[in-house]
Amino acid sequence: GENVEQHPSTLSVQEGDSAVIKCTYSDSASNYFPWYKQELGKRPQLIIDIRSNVGEKKDQRIAVTLNKTAKHFSLHITETQPEDSAVYFCAATPYGQNFVFGPGTRLSVLP
Amino acid sequence: DSGVTQTPKHLITATGQRVTLRCSPRSGDLSVYWYQQSLDQGLQFLIQYYNGEERAKGNILERFSAQQFPDLHSELNLSSLELGDSALYFCASSPGRDETQYFGPGTRLLVL
Repeated sequence: GENVEQHPSTLSVQEGDSAVIKCTYSDSASNYFPWYKQELGKRPQLIIDIRSNVGEKKDQRIAVTLNKTAKHFSLHITETQPEDSAVYFCAATPYGQNFVFGPGTRLSVLP
Repeated sequence: DSGVTQTPKHLITATGQRVTLRCSPRSGDLSVYWYQQSLDQGLQFLIQYYNGEERAKGNILERFSAQQFPDLHSELNLSSLELGDSALYFCASSPGRDETQYFGPGTRLLVL
């Protein structure tokens, strides 16, 4: 079955800097890759997603890139702000299967 | 607000007891998923229902069971509770079987 690894497990950046979180997956049949942001004690919220027929997607300060050959995808956050501090989860899903989540990355944006 | 509702928000109970968590999916969504998240841990998939039928099982204990009713709401039953069952339990819903999942606010369960 699918296995998703996520790095780093914790990440601290200065406000205004960029943050990059990388996920790798094992099942080449995976075709949908969402990213969720979870603030302390709150529900995971979808922030961006990408499908396997697209290499990159951007939404304001957030972008996701996908490398199907290498089986990895990354979340890029530019001009980080304190409210970006949260745990970020990536997921991969083979067609017709359930999401397999990565273990999460705790991002801290330091003022 | 994702449109997914969960009740109760908080639940405190004792070891050995049984509780029921309830989830109402977004309007029109047919799939319901249950996840367990222990303190500072990731999201552990428990079980999925699609249009009333069980579709997939994850790391769900035999003491736990779930069902999805004709009106598409779902209940997760946890029995013979242990201290280690204390966690946040999230429900998510999606329109179909492998589409974007939207999470509810969660139920925080504390077993004393």
